[in-house]
Amino acid sequence: DQQVKQNSPSLSVQEGRISILNCDYTNSMFDYFLWYKKYPAEGPTFLISISSIKDKNEDGRFTVFLNKSAKHLSLHIVPSQPGDSAVYFCAARKQGGSEKLVFGKGMKLTVNP
Amino acid sequence: GAGVSQSPSNKVTEKGKDVELRCDPISGHTALYWYRQSLGQGLEFLIYFQGNSAPDKSGLPSDRFSAERTGGSVSTLTIQRTQQEDSAVYLCASRRTNEQFFGPGTRLTVL
Repeated sequence: DQQVKQNSPSLSVQEGRISILNCDYTNSMFDYFLWYKKYPAEGPTFLISISSIKDKNEDGRFTVFLNKSAKHLSLHIVPSQPGDSAVYFCAARKQGGSEKLVFGKGMKLTVNP
Repeated sequence: GAGVSQSPSNKVTEKGKDVELRCDPISGHTALYWYRQSLGQGLEFLIYFQGNSAPDKSGLPSDRFSAERTGGSVSTLTIQRTQQEDSAVYLCASRRTNEQFFGPGTRLTVL
């Protein structure tokens, strides 16, 4: 029973264009969502997050959009750079308790020069 | 260092042996988590420590897995009688407010 789904395993975009990474979730109790970036042989690095009370959060080239009614979030990277090439994980959390993160399987982004 | 550190970075063991993995969280972070990532999968929650509270062990896959956190800082994850399906990258994370910060992981290979 996968509660966080990243249905596309990979995405390839041209440098300078927009990258859009999608994530769907099933548990309506999730109230906080995060995106992590992972390079090979390294741990995931926190990128950006959004609370369920918001529908958009922006940080430089990175913007996360949340559509609660559709249980869908997306990460937009614009303009994309070759250094953005990595595996991106979507994660969700329920408030209270351990606040453990539930992760999607990840999506590999390749930005071509 | 300022980040979460883990040791060893790689561990190869034979089926049936016990292994111990170590995590040093970021100083001042009271919450500590262990996750594992099997090949082609997302990260799977294993166990959570918060201060002196009882740990949340709900993610441990079997009683061969255990973890301790001494003095509210360093944590060790122990896997007894390892099996081939235990092969994965074991990741530790610590948290102070909302975001969890991850270490580089320990890649465990059980032959």
